[in-house]
Amino acid sequence: QKEVEQNSGPLSVPEGAIASLNCTYSDRGSQSFFWYRQYSGKSPELIMSIYSNGDKEDGRFTAQLNKASQYVSLLIRDSQPSDSATYLCALLYSSASKIIFGSGTRLSIRP
Amino acid sequence: NAGVTQTPKFRILKIGQSMTLQCAQDMNHNYMYWYRQDPGMGLKLIYYSVGAGITDKGEVPNGYNVSRSTTEDFPLRLELAAPSQTSVYFCASSYSQGAITGELFFGEGSRLTVL
Repeated sequence: QKEVEQNSGPLSVPEGAIASLNCTYSDRGSQSFFWYRQYSGKSPELIMSIYSNGDKEDGRFTAQLNKASQYVSLLIRDSQPSDSATYLCALLYSSASKIIFGSGTRLSIRP
Repeated sequence: NAGVTQTPKFRILKIGQSMTLQCAQDMNHNYMYWYRQDPGMGLKLIYYSVGAGITDKGEVPNGYNVSRSTTEDFPLRLELAAPSQTSVYFCASSYSQGAITGELFFGEGSRLTVL
């Protein structure tokens, strides 16, 4: 089993709708989870971090964490064409200071 | 502040050649990482360092070496380049306040092609 798993997509969502991105992980001890956005040809940038079970909201973005189910998700409300990018789920490994990424989900917002 | 600076941005190598990718950060971050990203894929951790003089292997360390003699610099050495090492390489750094925050600051990447 991969340490961090994501559906590679592409996920196509109409403008103005909610985009839902999902991630599962195998390291039960991990406490810190992150969502990075990467535009084509660019470096990843952090958009959300979450450490506790439940929801965390920041503008149009909501991160959700369920440690019992080992599941992290990212919701993007009122999707805009500028949200079209690859979204990378990452976690801080519990037994070391290494940050591991999933394979990313490519999101496309159609007008 | 320059942030995280990677050089070179592009490089073509012949099979069997060696080279060093340079990474420097001016944010006084303790943690530094090297990732590679193959087309359409996520980031794979090659090596990381939690401070000067301390390095550790990541997910895909074979064919690479690193050193961390100063807080600022974290070069990645490729020995005997192979076509499988064709990729985009990202260096990143992070700070800690007791515990690592997990927010990575990335360089712009180095695109390496091995022919």
